[in-house]
Amino acid sequence: GAVVSQHPSWVICKSGTSVKIECRSLDFQATTMFWYRQFPKQSLMLMATSNEGSKATYEQGVEKDKFLINHASLTLSTLTVTSAHPEDSSFYICSARVGTDRETQYFGPGTRLLVL
Amino acid sequence: GNSVTQMEGPVTLSEEAFLTINCTYTATGYPSLFWYVQYPGEGLQLLLKATKADDKGSNKGFEATYRKETTSFHLEKGSVQVSDSAVYFCALSTGNQFYFGTGTSLTVIP
Repeated sequence: GAVVSQHPSWVICKSGTSVKIECRSLDFQATTMFWYRQFPKQSLMLMATSNEGSKATYEQGVEKDKFLINHASLTLSTLTVTSAHPEDSSFYICSARVGTDRETQYFGPGTRLLVL
Repeated sequence: GNSVTQMEGPVTLSEEAFLTINCTYTATGYPSLFWYVQYPGEGLQLLLKATKADDKGSNKGFEATYRKETTSFHLEKGSVQVSDSAVYFCALSTGNQFYFGTGTSLTVIP
């Protein structure tokens, strides 16, 4: 089946630094990728939708200057958390959609970010 | 608005026990309903889905029926195995966006 990878799987950084998380579709091309955030004991919350070659669409309440998304190719999307603060500590999950089927998404294993 | 509520865990069962994980939803329109499973260290995987009322999704011995009258999509399995230990997420899709429940952790002990 379709595989989505994320790198790194976990990262610890100091407050004020920036962190980049990669999301790759390994055996298929993904025109659309999604970034989610999950707090402990809470559901996945969609942060943004990323389409290859165009600007990401952010959900209400998500700061686009804080969470920079780049979907430079059909197999790679990156999420950069700029000037990270402890409240940005969370579990970040990406998913990729194949073609135009809106309801078929393949999920990455997630990246745990801890900001000290 | 759209939302999903699923029973809190963790749930611990003995092998071969019956499993039910409750899930109810609130949605505008006619959503599709899903159960995803996440094994340790892996991404969410689609377990089963149902796209309209009274549909039953099934896979690997798991079943869930789309109940419009009770706005529910409870997950069931007649006899769980140790290998079923994972986190289970109920979700709905309006076509444009997914809405997830908080996840229920299941541990099956031999």
